[in-house]
Amino acid sequence: AQSVSQHNHHVILSEAASLELGCNYSYGGTVNLFWYVQYPGQHLQLLLKYFSGDPLVKGIKGFEAEFIKSKFSFNLRKPSVQWSDTAEYFCAVTGTGRRALTFGSGTRLQVQP
Amino acid sequence: DAGVIQSPRHEVTEMGQEVTLRCKPISGHDYLFWYRQTMMRGLELLIYFNNNVPIDDSGMPEDRFSAKMPNASFSTLKIQPSEPRDSAVYFCASSFRGSFDGYTFGSGTRLTVV
Repeated sequence: AQSVSQHNHHVILSEAASLELGCNYSYGGTVNLFWYVQYPGQHLQLLLKYFSGDPLVKGIKGFEAEFIKSKFSFNLRKPSVQWSDTAEYFCAVTGTGRRALTFGSGTRLQVQP
Repeated sequence: DAGVIQSPRHEVTEMGQEVTLRCKPISGHDYLFWYRQTMMRGLELLIYFNNNVPIDDSGMPEDRFSAKMPNASFSTLKIQPSEPRDSAVYFCASSFRGSFDGYTFGSGTRLTVV
């Protein structure tokens, strides 16, 4: 069975600080990886995805993530966060050919002005 | 496109009552998913459909939960009888097999069972 671990449950940063959120997955085959963001009171929106190719994936709003197969990781990064990045971030995984995503428990990011 | 549409946005009901949540997926999407979000358990997959057929319902917590998709544009999730521990936000999402760009989520239904 596939699973996703997000070890940072709550992160507090000041504006302009750099961000890295950890995501580790467990799956026996080829994976597709995603990061979603949920702004307060809203639904989940796709930030970026990895299917194959370049392990460094760029998404919307200046976010990027790096797939490191040997570490089963897909960490999310942003060089300089803004107050508007305050949200909950979810990592998700599915296997190639499978459509059901398994989500991590989420990381709540609070950016202080 | 109006996106994935869920109704109602909020539902407050008394324990023991029947609750029906509704979802209209994006036109042309052939996969539909129901998730439940709670503080304790995060996002849990309840069930998903492909071309209106249930594919995996192993996440449905118990027999009190049932889901149907009578056609490509409508799905329901029913809880009967409801219990306080069912209080959560229920999300519906849809996707298209041909180009899997992840899901498009609806705005969710916040269910409170008192």
